[in-house]
Amino acid sequence: AQKITQTQPGMFVQEKEAVTLDCTYDTSDQSYGLFWYKQPSSGEMIFLIYQGSYDEQNATEGRYSLNFQKARKSTNLVISASQLGDSAMYFCAMISGFQKLVFGTGTRLLVSP
Amino acid sequence: DGGITQSPKYLFRKEGQNVTLSCEQNLNHDAMYWYRQDPGQGLRLIYYSQIVNDFQKGDIAEGYSVSREKKESFPLTVTSAQKNPTAFYLCASSIGGPTGELFFGEGSRLTVL
Repeated sequence: AQKITQTQPGMFVQEKEAVTLDCTYDTSDQSYGLFWYKQPSSGEMIFLIYQGSYDEQNATEGRYSLNFQKARKSTNLVISASQLGDSAMYFCAMISGFQKLVFGTGTRLLVSP
Repeated sequence: DGGITQSPKYLFRKEGQNVTLSCEQNLNHDAMYWYRQDPGQGLRLIYYSQIVNDFQKGDIAEGYSVSREKKESFPLTVTSAQKNPTAFYLCASSIGGPTGELFFGEGSRLTVL
C-alpha cells in the first residue's frame, strides 16, 4: 500500500536561515512521482516542486530543493533563505501505480523575524 | 486560461440535506480526485477517477458519492449519511500517471448548521 509519512508536526526557523522538512514514502511501484505543496491559511494548495522516481538529479526550483534518497525512500524538502511568507503548512504527496495520489499529514512551518 | 474551478467556495446546509460540490477542469486531464481536509489536518482521499465513467473509493468514501460522466467534470455529493460533513473539500486533476502535472482547485468550505 502507498503511504507518506511526515514526522514533524511543526518546525521553527529564523528568517534567512535554511530549513529541512522530512518526508518518507512507501510504495511497491517502480514508477512514481513525489510532490511538495504549500498551504497558507487561505487554504489553496500551492505547488512547490516535483521529483520523478527515475530522475537522477535532485529537483530544484528557486529556493526549494529536494534531497531525494531513493534507497531510503525519502524526499526531504530544503527551503533556503527562509522568508516570513514561507510560514504555512507543507505537504508531501506521492502518485504511483493506479494514479492514486496520497498525502502526508503535513508540517507547519513558522518563520520568525 | 486552463485550470480547475470548484464551486461554491462557501456552502452552508442543514443537517439531513444532501449537497453537491462542483469540480470542473479544462486541462484535458484524465485523472480527478476529491479530498477532505479538517482543521489542522492533512488531506484524506474520498474518491478518485482515472477515466470517464470509472471511479474508485478512497480512504473515507462513506457518506459521499461521485459521478464522472464527462472528462471535464467530477462532482461530489455529500449525503445525509455523512455524519460529520463540515470540512474543507479540495478537488485536483492530473494528466495521469506519475508525472508532475497536477493541479488543485481553490477548495469548497462546507458548514453544516
